[in-house]
Amino acid sequence: GESVGLHLPTLSVQEGDNSIINCAYSNSASDYFIWYKQESGKGPQFIIDIRSNMDKRQGQRVTVLLNKTVKHLSLQIAATQPGDSAVYFCAENSGGSNYKLTFGKGTLLTVNP
Amino acid sequence: EAQVTQNPRYLITVTGKKLTVTCSQNMNHEYMSWYRQDPGLGLRQIYYSMNVEVTDKGDVPEGYKVSRKEKRNFPLILESPSPNQTSLYFCASSLVYSGANVLTFGAGSRLTVL
Repeated sequence: GESVGLHLPTLSVQEGDNSIINCAYSNSASDYFIWYKQESGKGPQFIIDIRSNMDKRQGQRVTVLLNKTVKHLSLQIAATQPGDSAVYFCAENSGGSNYKLTFGKGTLLTVNP
Repeated sequence: EAQVTQNPRYLITVTGKKLTVTCSQNMNHEYMSWYRQDPGLGLRQIYYSMNVEVTDKGDVPEGYKVSRKEKRNFPLILESPSPNQTSLYFCASSLVYSGANVLTFGAGSRLTVL
């Protein structure tokens, strides 16, 4: 079946560096993507989203890039801080009427001071 | 504060003892959903509801029931829990529009079935 996956299960960076978290998706019908952040002991929190008619979207210190040609999604975090340490999930909406989101398995980001 | 509230946050129970995990949202969201999160498997959808009295199965509905009698509440019922239902459960809600579904998640309910 079609699924959302991640290239790297763990990522360790130094405080102040930029982080890049990658995600591959296989459903070419997906038209909407979201990145979530999950801190230890908490529920996932929305970070940023992007529609399939866009290549790039920027938020505060975060940028999401979408490459539909290779079905690849990435989350860039600028000047990574210790508070960014968390598991990051990408999710895709395949466009069905049930608005179902399919989640990737997550990448653990660790920021070293 | 806009939020999704789940209870209980932690529960240890025994096989076969019926339990209910409550979920309530104060954002007037139409869409509500339950997920379970297991190591190596990520978040998997159990059931979802597009509106009051409208519910449907997700990817892993076996052993679970839900109801949506009121817009704000979406309880998850385990009629006869089994050890393979030991997991971390999340309730979520959203306004759905133009294909966008930005879920707001609760803090999670950790269930252990002995």
